[in-house]
Amino acid sequence: DSGVTQTPKHLITATGQRVTLRCSPRSGDLSVYWYQQSLDQGLQFLIHYYNGEERAKGNILERFSAQQFPDLHSELNLSSLELGDSALYFCASSVYPGQRGGREQFFGPGTRLTVL
Amino acid sequence: GENVEQHPSTLSVQEGDSAVIKCTYSDSASNYFPWYKQELGKRPQLIIDIRSNVGEKKDQRIAVTLNKTAKHFSLHITETQPEDSAVYFCAANTQGAQKLVFGQGTRLTINP
Repeated sequence: DSGVTQTPKHLITATGQRVTLRCSPRSGDLSVYWYQQSLDQGLQFLIHYYNGEERAKGNILERFSAQQFPDLHSELNLSSLELGDSALYFCASSVYPGQRGGREQFFGPGTRLTVL
Repeated sequence: GENVEQHPSTLSVQEGDSAVIKCTYSDSASNYFPWYKQELGKRPQLIIDIRSNVGEKKDQRIAVTLNKTAKHFSLHITETQPEDSAVYFCAANTQGAQKLVFGQGTRLTINP
């Protein structure tokens, strides 16, 4: 158990719908990252939040948005869902990586999203 | 943009033999290179990492080497065991260390 929690575990929805994925980081971690992993694909970086502020963005679609709340939990909102959005969405947390180098990212169990 | 290339995409070795996975990165400012192991249906987990001020790091049967000049790094697993079967991902940090870019993964199969 990494200490990172994600809910829900599974989500099945229809095209055009909107969903919210939730992540709670490890105690003490201020950085939260979101990744998308499609079938047999690598981990695509979506976004990094540190202590409520956006720090880096990947190729995140405009239909997707995220935020980190004062209690440090984060939510990833996916709207106008398409079939191609079906994937495993991971959240990870770490202490702040700083400028001198990275820190281990601890991954949550993931949320499997199926868009029908 | 930032890119990490990983090879091979699949690797099959006999139990007890060594396995090597190679990655190249594009951002010369990258200074942190972790390797993650993902078993089927599970979350990725860090197995070893290396920073740019070090050329090699070893942890029991696992070692990582880094060549900053050539911008490539490699994972070496010796005396492979069936439980080493998994997908392995390399990564490099970028954008002032605020982002990790992952390679496409290598599916390693250890044959008994």
